[in-house]
Amino acid sequence: DAGVIQSPRHEVTEMGQEVTLRCKPISGHNSLFWYRQTMMRGLELLIYFNNNVPIDDSGMPEDRFSAKMPNASFSTLKIQPSEPRDSAVYFCASSSRGGQGMDTQYFGPGTRLTVL
Amino acid sequence: RKEVEQDPGPFNVPEGATVAFNCTYSNSASQSFFWYRQDCRKEPKLLMSVYSSGNEDGRFTAQLNRASQYISLLIRDSKLSDSATYLCVVNSGYALNFGKGTSLLVTP
Repeated sequence: DAGVIQSPRHEVTEMGQEVTLRCKPISGHNSLFWYRQTMMRGLELLIYFNNNVPIDDSGMPEDRFSAKMPNASFSTLKIQPSEPRDSAVYFCASSSRGGQGMDTQYFGPGTRLTVL
Repeated sequence: RKEVEQDPGPFNVPEGATVAFNCTYSNSASQSFFWYRQDCRKEPKLLMSVYSSGNEDGRFTAQLNRASQYISLLIRDSKLSDSATYLCVVNSGYALNFGKGTSLLVTP
């Protein structure tokens, strides 16, 4: 049974380049979350989708970050242009129920992003 | 002030020891509480939910004190494989708020 799938697992890029992170949630889950983890700030929620609709993007740092979920089985997080301070591990998570009484969130393996 | 606060540790304990972690949360309207475990360079995984009445899963016991807004995790007879970072997680509505984690190292 496949869990949450993320790609790439590692990304090294230069400042100013566009970065696209991809996520495939667990089949049947209707909620998807993008998180960022750094040593300084821990795990932070960037954006939350429910039934493919962005519900809360207040955690997105700035306009350089954008996320889409064109269908129930795919989401992207894009950074354009990337900056060294974006270096972090980006996790995608999915759950089978959103809103009040949320079900367990299952995390993907993460994308380790390094911006030089 | 961060919504969920934890002592970062590290806690270094010998095999077989009992160790306890606490965490505090600031939002009194929080509804659900969890402990997640994260191994080095891996994703967080749910360890256990925390119920108001307290709950136990093998060597792990979780307790919630709503009045004081703190959550605890007790690990008995610790194993080498328990070495990891333990994340305290509080759910308010749809959002999960994570503590920065407490690092545990169990030594032979």
